[in-house]
Amino acid sequence: SQQGEEDPQALSIQEGENATMNCSYKTSINNLQWYRQNSGRGLVHLILIRSNEREKHSGRLRVTLDTSKKSSSLLITASRAADTASYFCATPFRDNYGQNFVFGPGTRLSVLP
Amino acid sequence: EPEVTQTPSHQVTQMGQEVILRCVPISNHLYFYWYRQILGQKVEFLVSFYNNEISEKSEIFDDQFSVERPDGSNFTLKIRSTKLEDSAMYFCASKTQGYEQYFGPGTRLTVT
Repeated sequence: SQQGEEDPQALSIQEGENATMNCSYKTSINNLQWYRQNSGRGLVHLILIRSNEREKHSGRLRVTLDTSKKSSSLLITASRAADTASYFCATPFRDNYGQNFVFGPGTRLSVLP
Repeated sequence: EPEVTQTPSHQVTQMGQEVILRCVPISNHLYFYWYRQILGQKVEFLVSFYNNEISEKSEIFDDQFSVERPDGSNFTLKIRSTKLEDSAMYFCASKTQGYEQYFGPGTRLTVT
């Protein structure tokens, strides 16, 4: 099965700075999603990008997708302490059109006040 | 805003015991999922359920696991004979026809 892998594993920045996290995957996909997990809590969906899209914005979030490199990036601009969480990319579990997801190990983001 | 709920929030059980983890998905959702997350590790897909049957399952979801939708609202995960390595956070998720899955807060299962 394919798998998303995020890097870096951990990222520590100051409030107001931008945070960039990357995700790589192995096989063809029709969509890629980013989720956030606050410590000890469930996952919260942030944004979905389809394979025919290159960039997508949602508030302070910007996601890019490069299907030729099988990679995606999540940019959080003007970070806040409340953005401190783990961020995961999710790709379809089994095939291009699967609706079940594989999550990468995540990037732990710490935003320092 | 509707949300997925899970009970209990924390379950402690002895090795070899059966546990049932409960989930109430969002009411108009059609697809239901269980995932688990061993402490400090990534979220792993266990099983998906649609139209009253399992639609997909991972290698983790062996004969010790079963799922059920006993009524119109609950979605349960049963582990027949728990092992120490079953200790993890178990997340339920649900969705409609789109791709976005809505996750519950999780049940922390501790097997001693």
